[in-house]
Amino acid sequence: AQSVTQPDIHITVSEGASLELRCNYSYGATPYLFWYVQSPGQGLQLLLKYFSGDTLVQGIKGFEAEFKRSQSSFNLRKPSVHWSDAAEYFCAVGAGGSNFGNEKLTFGTGTRLTIIP
Amino acid sequence: DGGITQSPKYLFRKEGQNVTLSCEQNLNHDAMYWYRQDPGQGLRLIYYSQIVNDFQKGDIAEGYSVSREKKESFPLTVTSAQKNPTAFYLCASSIEPDSGGGEAFFGQGTRLTVV
Repeated sequence: AQSVTQPDIHITVSEGASLELRCNYSYGATPYLFWYVQSPGQGLQLLLKYFSGDTLVQGIKGFEAEFKRSQSSFNLRKPSVHWSDAAEYFCAVGAGGSNFGNEKLTFGTGTRLTIIP
Repeated sequence: DGGITQSPKYLFRKEGQNVTLSCEQNLNHDAMYWYRQDPGQGLRLIYYSQIVNDFQKGDIAEGYSVSREKKESFPLTVTSAQKNPTAFYLCASSIEPDSGGGEAFFGQGTRLTVV
């Protein structure tokens, strides 16, 4: 069964500092990988996704993520955070290719990001 | 604008009552999902549906029921059998990656509180 681990429950960074949120996944075949962001009391918004090709993917709001198959990781990065980036971030893995629809998206438990001035 | 609409945003229920959460999408997506979110537990799948008139149980289906009579609609009923229904409920939809999608699009959620 697929699984996602986000080892950091809560991260605090200073405004303007760089950010890296960790995500490790377990999946037997080619995964589809996603990062979502959630503001309090709101739904989830897609930041970026990886299906295939270039392992460094660019997303919205200046975020990027790198897929490393050898490490089963898909870490999210941003070179300089803004106060508006404070939110909860979720990594998710889904089945790729012909298995799409037969297996659900599996989410990590999330990382809460706090930005300090 | 296309999107997913969940209603109501806040819902209060007395113990022992059934309650239905609405989810409507105008994205023409085939697949729809219901997730439950509790603090520190991420999102857990309740039910999902890939086509009209068909749906499958997710990881925590006990105490919930769904229907998929129309492509656009996927209502969730929280029954009295659900022991701890107070939570934030999220509806989502998606299409196949070959159609340019693969990711799930989410509604704004319904916060259910049992009083």
